[in-house]
Amino acid sequence: GENVEQHPSTLSVQEGDSAVIKCTYSDSASNYFPWYKQELGKGPQLIIDIRSNVGEKKDQRIAVTLNKTAKHFSLHITETQPEDSAVYFCAATPGAGSYQLTFGKGTKLSVIP
Amino acid sequence: DTGVSQNPRHKITKRGQNVTFRCDPISEHNRLYWYRQTLGQGPEFLTYFQNEAQLEKSRLLSDRFSAERPKGSFSTLEIQRTEQGDSAMYLCASSLARVETQYFGPGTRLLVL
Repeated sequence: GENVEQHPSTLSVQEGDSAVIKCTYSDSASNYFPWYKQELGKGPQLIIDIRSNVGEKKDQRIAVTLNKTAKHFSLHITETQPEDSAVYFCAATPGAGSYQLTFGKGTKLSVIP
Repeated sequence: DTGVSQNPRHKITKRGQNVTFRCDPISEHNRLYWYRQTLGQGPEFLTYFQNEAQLEKSRLLSDRFSAERPKGSFSTLEIQRTEQGDSAMYLCASSLARVETQYFGPGTRLLVL
């Protein structure tokens, strides 16, 4: 089955700096890669997603890049703010008609004011 | 609010008891998913429904777990003879058919004593 690895597990940045979180996946048939933000005691909130026919996608301060050949994708957050502090999860779907998400183990991002 | 809702939000039970959780998806979303999340980990897929049909089940879904979606709207997840290892956050998500994007509810946190 699909396996998703996520790094780093924790990340501290100064307010205003950029943060980068990286994920790799194992199943070359995977075709959908969402990123979720989870705050303490809440469910995961979708922040951006990318499909395998696209290499990069931006939404204001957030961007995701996908390298299908290397089977990795990354989340970039620019101009970080204290409210960006949370746990971020990457995920992948295996394709072939399956819709289950396989998640990474998460990255705890702390933005220091 | 038209997001995914889950009830109860918290449940404490004694080992050996049965528990049932409810999920109400976003209106008109015909796919509904259940995931389990333990502390410090990403969500793990349990099962998913398209309308009332249960289409995928994970190996994590032991015979003590049963999920239903009788009318293709809300879903219930029952755990029989609970064990301490069942303590986790149980998350529900929903999506439209043919769209990969899954929206999560706030979760039900289960503690088995």
